[in-house]
Amino acid sequence: DGGITQSPKYLFRKEGQNVTLSCEQNLNHDAMYWYRQDPGQGLRLIYYSQIVNDFQKGDIAEGYSVSREKKESFPLTVTSAQKNPTAFYLCASTGTERSETQYFGPGTRLLVL
Amino acid sequence: AQSVAQPEDQVNVAEGNPLTVKCTYSVSGNPYLFWYVQYPNRGLQFLLKYITGDNLVKGSYGFEAEFNKSQTSFHLKKPSALVSDSALYFCAVRDPWGGTGGFKTIFGAGTRLFVKA
Repeated sequence: DGGITQSPKYLFRKEGQNVTLSCEQNLNHDAMYWYRQDPGQGLRLIYYSQIVNDFQKGDIAEGYSVSREKKESFPLTVTSAQKNPTAFYLCASTGTERSETQYFGPGTRLLVL
Repeated sequence: AQSVAQPEDQVNVAEGNPLTVKCTYSVSGNPYLFWYVQYPNRGLQFLLKYITGDNLVKGSYGFEAEFNKSQTSFHLKKPSALVSDSALYFCAVRDPWGGTGGFKTIFGAGTRLFVKA
């Protein structure tokens, strides 16, 4: 899983609660991404950040928020506005060149109580 | 719009037989193509990529892929499948974001490979 760590591995959310998923990388990558994966499905982009203090919405940003205060960190908050948060969340990072691969963290599985 | 398509949701193959996982692309200009693999409850891992040069690209775990410009395809292959190859495989293309600069990765829907002993 490269030099990217995600925590926790499993997360339980109660209704109305905001929860934050951690993502840290030591690859010195500028770009970082959050994806959502539903069972047996592909990846959907939630948010991405190409540089510190800047981030953009992806395809399914509603109900989520992010911050990018440090190059190595890109936490994702799943807010109470996200009505169907149960999914597998993947963080990734990559360098700035088009030829560079994406490195993925091990994922966080979010479950609703 | 730039895209990749994986026409098969699932591929079944017997151990020891050759395997092929299909991918076609639609991009303007020269494509930057990738294959990733995902094992259960894990993140994606890079297998191989085509940027330029030889159309046959060799990657990790004995996998290879053939870039075919006329057919706009980038099929993943392995001469002899192992049970441990059973996983979810994603084809991807890397393309410019456009106005914001930088590059995005567009993933296919994924193909689940089952290798039977």
